Amino acid sequence: SQQGEEDPQALSIQEGENATMNCSYKTSINNLQWYRQNSGRGLVHLILIRSNEREKHSGRLRVTLDTSKKSSSLLITASRAADTASYFCATDRGNQFYFGTGTSLTVIP
Amino acid sequence: GEEVAQTPKHLVRGEGQKAKLYCAPIKGHSYVFWYQQVLKNEFKFLISFQNENVFDETGMPKERFSAKCLPNSPCSLEIQATKLEDSAVYFCASSQGYEAFFGQGTRLTVV
Repeated sequence: SQQGEEDPQALSIQEGENATMNCSYKTSINNLQWYRQNSGRGLVHLILIRSNEREKHSGRLRVTLDTSKKSSSLLITASRAADTASYFCATDRGNQFYFGTGTSLTVIP
Repeated sequence: GEEVAQTPKHLVRGEGQKAKLYCAPIKGHSYVFWYQQVLKNEFKFLISFQNENVFDETGMPKERFSAKCLPNSPCSLEIQATKLEDSAVYFCASSQGYEAFFGQGTRLTVV
């Protein structure tokens, strides 16, 4: 399967702390993207990192990509209760997106 | 439109009935994808289109599932003779190359 794996499966932190989640994938990619899914809702695109990039920032989000290890990490700094959601990485290869199994993040106020 | 619109939001069908889901992609996007999310984590790829042509259908259970993307019409995903295991949220996404924009999903419940 080309599906990614994410860890941890679940993460619980206090508001204000940083949250780090990791994604590993199996095949070469063009891009890697991170999405957020609030309970019962659709996926919201957070950030895209291309295969020739190593790090990217967007607001409180920092994404790294290590193509040699086929892994990526998403760091959310100064977390807020509103960040509580599931986070998925998605890789694209041949115009199909392959999703990881997701990390469920709970930020405790 | 500027967002992917999926209808209906909820659909309940008796086992063996037909279910039809619709998706209006973002105007100008050439690619449409359908995914099935069972429980709360795994997204299973079903099918993708490039304009009205099937691009990749490796995830489709072909005996009961079919999909179309015709010009000037919403895309559709149809399930003939639904089974209990088809209960899931079905997401549609559209893309113009890199970023995929997702709809809010259709929750199908087969009873």
